[in-house]
Amino acid sequence: EPEVTQTPSHQVTQMGQEVILRCVPISNHLYFYWYRQILGQKVEFLVSFYNNEISEKSEIFDDQFSVERPDGSNFTLKIRSTKLEDSAMYFCASIEASTDTQYFGPGTRLTVL
Amino acid sequence: SQQGEEDPQALSIQEGENATMNCSYKTSINNLQWYRQNSGRGLVHLILIRSNEREKHSGRLRVTLDTSKKSSSLLITASRAADTASYFCATLETSGSRLTFGEGTQLTVNP
Repeated sequence: EPEVTQTPSHQVTQMGQEVILRCVPISNHLYFYWYRQILGQKVEFLVSFYNNEISEKSEIFDDQFSVERPDGSNFTLKIRSTKLEDSAMYFCASIEASTDTQYFGPGTRLTVL
Repeated sequence: SQQGEEDPQALSIQEGENATMNCSYKTSINNLQWYRQNSGRGLVHLILIRSNEREKHSGRLRVTLDTSKKSSSLLITASRAADTASYFCATLETSGSRLTFGEGTQLTVNP
């Protein structure tokens, strides 16, 4: 069964460093998302992406964040200058437009030291 | 209270018993989805119910939706130890494309 994949599974970085989290959505999906989950808290929406542009973003998604679909398969989330409070699990999701079902990847655990 | 609030926060039952989790929300929705998350792992989609549907079944799962009360319930019948996980409801509003998640219910099924 097709699935969303994410790399790396765990990333440790120093505060102030740039990180890029990678996702490969399901191949025939057209809408892509990033969410995050701080440890012990609920999942929060960051951004949605369709037709090579951001369609919606939350207040969390400030200028430090950016997304890109550099080729036909990858979907990336970049954090330019990480802060301690960026430590969280980051989930990528893609949607099957005909059903509205969002399929999530296994997540990348980001630890900012 | 917040969009997509579940109750109870934690539920502990014996194998074979039924587990019921509830979710309330505040805005108009297009659909409501239930997800499962094992500790530290990804989100697994369980079931989606649209705003014009009242009940849906999938295997041992039964979901109801009451849009007048802005609430949903997830029933897991004949629970198994492997059902132990956190369960989240998530709503898709009529405007926008984001899912808004609740706080989740931690279900423990004791063998």
